[in-house]
Amino acid sequence: SQWGEENLQALSIQEGEDVTMNCSYKTYTTVVQWYRQKSGKGPAQLILIRSNEREKRSGRLRATLDTSSQSSSLSITGTLATDTAVYFCATPYQGGRALIFGTGTTVSVSP
Amino acid sequence: DMKVTQMPRYLIKRMGENVLLECGQDMSHETMYWYRQDPGLGLQLIYISYDVDSNSEGDIPKGYRVSRKKREHFSLILDSAKTNQTSVYFCASSLKGYAEQFFGPGTRLTVL
Repeated sequence: SQWGEENLQALSIQEGEDVTMNCSYKTYTTVVQWYRQKSGKGPAQLILIRSNEREKRSGRLRATLDTSSQSSSLSITGTLATDTAVYFCATPYQGGRALIFGTGTTVSVSP
Repeated sequence: DMKVTQMPRYLIKRMGENVLLECGQDMSHETMYWYRQDPGLGLQLIYISYDVDSNSEGDIPKGYRVSRKKREHFSLILDSAKTNQTSVYFCASSLKGYAEQFFGPGTRLTVL
């Protein structure tokens, strides 16, 4: 498998709290993408981070990438109930011809 | 408007029947994908298409075949569907293999 076992499966939090989810991967990569999938919908990209960026922000989202530890994180500040979703990290594979998706972290935000 | 469409959205078939799932995109993307999603397993790649009539197996191609005769359309075919092919199927497209993927809304297939 491409993914480390420490990738958290589920988190339950209250609205307004901050949340961080982690993605640990085994095959070296210089690019990680984070996707969000809301119930009944297809996944949608949130953020793409490259190794030369180490940290990238987009609104309430913050992604980090540490190629030395082969891990990435996604943080959401001031969560809203509408942030309830499954969050996936994805890295290139098959020689860069496709992405491989992690099993996802389910985040449930209560109002 | 960048969009990936899938038809049908819901489908119930009996074991042994043939299944056709259709996908369309309006972004002129060369690369398209079919995934299936099962609880706890994330997205599993079935097939990749790099352009018209240029298809490649993904991680779980057994029991499936694909067809791409126009750049904007990509079909997934199940010949003689099996109950273990009950799943949610997603189509996606991207400009390049490792670039952002745009997903359709999914097709929920039940094989009885």
